[in-house]
Amino acid sequence: GAGVSQSPRYKVAKRGQDVALRCDPISGHVSLFWYQQALGQGPEFLTYFQNEAQLDKSGLPSDRFFAERPEGSVSTLKIQRTQQEDSAVYLCASSSRASIGVASTDTQYFGPGTRLTVL
Amino acid sequence: DAKTTQPNSMESNEEEPVHLPCNHSTISGTDYIHWYRQLPSQGPEYVIHGLTSNVNNRMASLAIAEDRKSSTLILHRATLRDAAVYYCILRDSNTGGFKTIFGAGTRLFVKA
Repeated sequence: GAGVSQSPRYKVAKRGQDVALRCDPISGHVSLFWYQQALGQGPEFLTYFQNEAQLDKSGLPSDRFFAERPEGSVSTLKIQRTQQEDSAVYLCASSSRASIGVASTDTQYFGPGTRLTVL
Repeated sequence: DAKTTQPNSMESNEEEPVHLPCNHSTISGTDYIHWYRQLPSQGPEYVIHGLTSNVNNRMASLAIAEDRKSSTLILHRATLRDAAVYYCILRDSNTGGFKTIFGAGTRLFVKA
């Protein structure tokens, strides 16, 4: 079946521009995660959704970052007034159950990521 | 959150076994040990996970020390396609576990 898809795959923005990154999780998956991956580093957690509820946004680096999942399926990560330090690969992952209790061990399925370059 | 320590890189010959170590000395009783790998230009993919007992699947084996303070991912016969960054991660089933913390991982080089 179809996996997690992300669009666009590549985005170049001028400093100060707003960008929107889209994630289409696997159909029916309850949990959705966003990560930021700088060059040569492991992914860093940004935020977590259980259906449409954003249960944790502690990893968002500033108030310029905003994520939503209004209908509990597709999610958008928006970055306002982009800065050069925002350049990274943004990864989306989904899993089939809510991440509570033992279900937190569910496999996360990752998309290919969006590579954002801010000039 | 409990953290993991892995070597920065390892090298293997094709068709030989590879043992990728991970130390997690501050692991708690409710932490599951997960391994993911990331091939070039792709998102991470799940490899295996376990709690206390050794685990086997079609991709790899996971050997967990008796005190759970370390684990080893075993690739039985490395292929060129196994060249990737391997991440050892702890996920706490007690507190939700959704805040997955990746380290820098181990970059595995496979020589033909």
